[in-house]
Amino acid sequence: EPEVTQTPSHQVTQMGQEVILRCVPISNHLYFYWYRQILGQKVEFLVSFYNNEISEKSEIFDDQFSVERPDGSNFTLKIRSTKLEDSAMYFCASWGRDTGELFFGEGSRLTVL
Amino acid sequence: AQKVTQAQTEISVVEKEDVTLDCVYETRDTTYYLFWYKQPPSGELVFLIRRNSFDEQNEISGRYSWNFQKSTSSFNFTITASQVVDSAVYFCALSEAFTGGGNKLTFGTGTQLKVEL
Repeated sequence: EPEVTQTPSHQVTQMGQEVILRCVPISNHLYFYWYRQILGQKVEFLVSFYNNEISEKSEIFDDQFSVERPDGSNFTLKIRSTKLEDSAMYFCASWGRDTGELFFGEGSRLTVL
Repeated sequence: AQKVTQAQTEISVVEKEDVTLDCVYETRDTTYYLFWYKQPPSGELVFLIRRNSFDEQNEISGRYSWNFQKSTSSFNFTITASQVVDSAVYFCALSEAFTGGGNKLTFGTGTQLKVEL
């Protein structure tokens, strides 16, 4: 079964540091997403990405965040200067029009100290 | 704006009991999709079902069944003969029809299901 893979599974960082979370979406998918889940809360949409540009972003996705598809296979989320409140599980997802299913990765847990 | 409400924060049942998880949604779209995801303690999101707004037929998959009622804007999920392995947080989610932005999901707050022996 196709899967979305994310690295790292867990990252601990100091406040103010830059973090890059990586995702490899399913190979023939064209739509990619980042979602965030603060511990014990619901999953929240951050950003969608299509055709090498952001198609939609939420108010959470401020200037500290950026996304990139640097090489045609990886899809990255960068947080420029992490804050304590960025501690969360970050899920990457990709969507295929053929099945209509949104496939999520296993998540990257970010802990900001 | 879209909204998903899962009023049940936590449900505890004894193994083999049936349990229904409620989901009520709000949307102005006439075409939309509804989803259920399972989040076990390990943290990943496991896809369970996707249903489009034109298909009100109930669906059964093994011990799982879903009841979609457009008239009450509800998409409830029933687990028959629950098992300990069903213990997880279950999320209901809603997305607008594909408009070029793909499927942006709006999630509910989740229902924690605990199945005990």
